[in-house]
Amino acid sequence: GNSVTQMEGPVTLSEEAFLTINCTYTATGYPSLFWYVQYPGEGLQLLLKATKADDKGSNKGFEATYRKETTSFHLEKGSVQVSDSAVYFCALSVWQAGTALIFGKGTTLSVSS
Amino acid sequence: SQTIHQWPATLVQPVGSPLSLECTVEGTSNPNLYWYRQAAGRGLQLLFYSVGIGQISSEVPQNLSASRPQDRQFILSSKKLLLSDSGFYLCACSPGNTIYFGEGSWLTVV
Repeated sequence: GNSVTQMEGPVTLSEEAFLTINCTYTATGYPSLFWYVQYPGEGLQLLLKATKADDKGSNKGFEATYRKETTSFHLEKGSVQVSDSAVYFCALSVWQAGTALIFGKGTTLSVSS
Repeated sequence: SQTIHQWPATLVQPVGSPLSLECTVEGTSNPNLYWYRQAAGRGLQLLFYSVGIGQISSEVPQNLSASRPQDRQFILSSKKLLLSDSGFYLCACSPGNTIYFGEGSWLTVV
């Protein structure tokens, strides 16, 4: 079956530190991979995505590379800010009629100044 | 680009009362539509999805139901709420190969 495993949080960093949030997946077929971010009290926003192996998604200084050989899609940012504090969800989809996203459990990031 | 409207944004309902959460989508036609729930301290759980008007698939058996009376309208309902129905409900749509979420509805059952 399809599943997503994320590193458990919370992750606590100081401003300007380097961020890595690990995500690995199990999937049949050829999934697309996504990172969503949820700020406190809000819905989910798409952060970045990659639709095939070796693609790199990037947005707002975050990036993740679709690694088929290691079935991973780790999220990275070189210098985090306090405003990056949020919950980050890794997700996959194998697109068929009506197929929805499979989410990881989320990783809470807290950045202090 | 598509816009997803959800309402109400927050509500507090007594146990045993009915529920109706509404979601409408603008800027796209014939999207796939979804209802997710996020319980406190837990991840996202897919409740229902729909590929077209009147077509609803349920992922989790429970006392909730969904309906899609129009192409861009998706409704989540319950006849009698349980305490365990409390959570953050998110409507989502996928006009293509990416899913976009609404702002969510906070439901507290007391």
